[in-house]
Amino acid sequence: QKEVEQDPGPLSVPEGAIVSLNCTYSNSAFQYFMWYRQYSRKGPELLMYTYSSGNKEDGRFTAQVDKSSKYISLFIRDSQPSDSATYLCAMDFWGYKLSFGAGTTVTVRA
Amino acid sequence: GAVVSQHPSRVICKSGTSVKIECRSLDFQATTMFWYRQFPKQSLMLMATSNEGSKATYEQGVEKDKFLINHASLTLSTLTVTSAHPEDSSFYICSARDFSGGPTEQYFGPGTRLTVT
Repeated sequence: QKEVEQDPGPLSVPEGAIVSLNCTYSNSAFQYFMWYRQYSRKGPELLMYTYSSGNKEDGRFTAQVDKSSKYISLFIRDSQPSDSATYLCAMDFWGYKLSFGAGTTVTVRA
Repeated sequence: GAVVSQHPSRVICKSGTSVKIECRSLDFQATTMFWYRQFPKQSLMLMATSNEGSKATYEQGVEKDKFLINHASLTLSTLTVTSAHPEDSSFYICSARDFSGGPTEQYFGPGTRLTVT
């Protein structure tokens, strides 16, 4: 069993739709939960991070962590074509030696 | 955010040769750098962690004699793929962080695409 599971998609949505992404994990010691965005042939860039459980909102993005279910989510509201990318979840106890999910490829259709 | 560069961005080499990839932190001192590889449509897999001035720590299953890592300064780490074979073809990404920085202060390079023919 992989430490972090993420549905690779692909996911295709019309512009303006809500994009819902999620990951499950097996290591209950994880404390830091990150979401990265990666454009084709580029390195990942940090979108959001959450420490421990709870919700965090940043503009059109909302990250949720449910430690009891070992489940994290990222929601993108009012999606734009520029949101088309691969989204990777990542997590760790200390926050730097990250375990990544496989990434979900998202296409937002204009 | 801070900037991490990688050079080259892509390289094609012949089987049996060695290839060196550089990772530089441009505007901060990176006490720790990480090397990942990524296969198409797959996750980033951590290969090794390197701290400036000390030997790299390799993840299980990564051959340290094949993937040589040198972190000689606070702004530069290199990954050398020795005696490369076609199965080493992959996207290699480094990341860097300052030890004093928080968990969000880990910055990724743009990646190097290695093709071994």
